[in-house]
Amino acid sequence: AQTVTQSQPEMSVQEAETVTLSCTYDTSESNYYLFWYKQPPSRQMILVIRQEAYKQQNATENRFSVNFQKAAKSFSLKISDSQLGDTAMYFCAFMLLTSGSRLTFGEGTQLTVNP
Amino acid sequence: GAGVSQSPRYKVTKRGQDVALRCDPISGHVSLYWYRQALGQGPEFLTYFNYEAQQDKSGLPNDRFSAERPEGSISTLTIQRTEQRDSAMYRCASSLAGRSYNEQFFGPGTRLTVL
Repeated sequence: AQTVTQSQPEMSVQEAETVTLSCTYDTSESNYYLFWYKQPPSRQMILVIRQEAYKQQNATENRFSVNFQKAAKSFSLKISDSQLGDTAMYFCAFMLLTSGSRLTFGEGTQLTVNP
Repeated sequence: GAGVSQSPRYKVTKRGQDVALRCDPISGHVSLYWYRQALGQGPEFLTYFNYEAQQDKSGLPNDRFSAERPEGSISTLTIQRTEQRDSAMYRCASSLAGRSYNEQFFGPGTRLTVL
């Protein structure tokens, strides 16, 4: 079974600064996807960024980028130029394509951006 | 519709009652997923459908939980003889298809409280 671990329950950052959220996962498979989802106070689930395991290049989406270390089974999210609207719960998630695309989520990291 | 919709948004019930939670996916989406999210935790997979066929129900916690999608569109998650431990946010997600990567779009969730 796949597991996803987020070891930082809470983090805070000052507006305009950079913050990195950590995620590790465990799988014996080689073909999978990794995701970061954002859950703001409205409780929506919003996809922030995804990474295909077969791609060595780290994914980037504007101010969001990942550091994917496949051998170490690590997948961290870097948020640059943090904005107040980035305040949310962030979930790391794993998807094994052979499992019908079900998502396995970590416990979440509550990020607070302070003005 | 424009997105995944769920109803009711909030449901309060007494222990022992049955509840039915509805999910209306994005039009044309083949795959439909149900997740349960306890407060302060990440969503946990319950079950998923491709069209009307239930492909995986391994995440359903016990036989009080069931789901159906009879016409391959709207899905209902039913919990019989509810217990207090069933209190959680129940989320539905849909995607174009489940065999390869397609983004899962999440609904707003149904907050279930069992008294």
